[in-house]
Amino acid sequence: GENVEQHPSTLSVQEGDSAVIKCTYSDSASNYFPWYKQELGKRPQLIIDIRSNVGEKKDQRIAVTLNKTAKHFSLHITETQPEDSAVYFCAASINGNKLVFGAGTILRVKS
Amino acid sequence: DAGITQSPRHKVTETGTPVTLRCHQTENHRYMYWYRQDPGHGLRLIHYSYGVKDTDKGEVSDGYSVSRSKTEDFLLTLESATSSQTSVYFCAISDPARGYNYGYTFGSGTRLTVV
Repeated sequence: GENVEQHPSTLSVQEGDSAVIKCTYSDSASNYFPWYKQELGKRPQLIIDIRSNVGEKKDQRIAVTLNKTAKHFSLHITETQPEDSAVYFCAASINGNKLVFGAGTILRVKS
Repeated sequence: DAGITQSPRHKVTETGTPVTLRCHQTENHRYMYWYRQDPGHGLRLIHYSYGVKDTDKGEVSDGYSVSRSKTEDFLLTLESATSSQTSVYFCAISDPARGYNYGYTFGSGTRLTVV
């Protein structure tokens, strides 16, 4: 089955700097790669996703890149703000079914 | 917020007792999922359902059973709770057949403590 690895497990950045979180997946059939943000005590919420027919997707300060050959994808957050502090999860699946999640990255933005 | 609710929000139970968690949706989504969240493990799939009375096991299904007798309700049962089942449980819904949206919507979670 699918296996998703996520790095780093914790990331501290200064406000205004960029943050990058990386994930690798094992199943070459996977074609859907979402990213979720989870604030303390809250539910995970979808912030951006990408499909295998696209190499990059942007939404304001966040972007996701996908390298199908290497089977890895990354989340990029630019101009980080304190409200970006949260746990971020990557995931992979075939057509959105049975998402397999990475272990999560705790992002701390220091002001 | 999204039309998905979980109950109870918090529960403390004793080892060996049965426990049922409920997920209720008003979105008429076809797919429903139960995940558990533990530090260092992310979210792991317990069971899922693709429709009424259509369920299957996920990655960590041992000790859990599910039922879906109506589109809107997906029940997770711990037949005999153990301390290793202390966790936060999230229900999620999706319906990839609807347009181009594959994303999950999660419930608020149930924090279960087995003592």
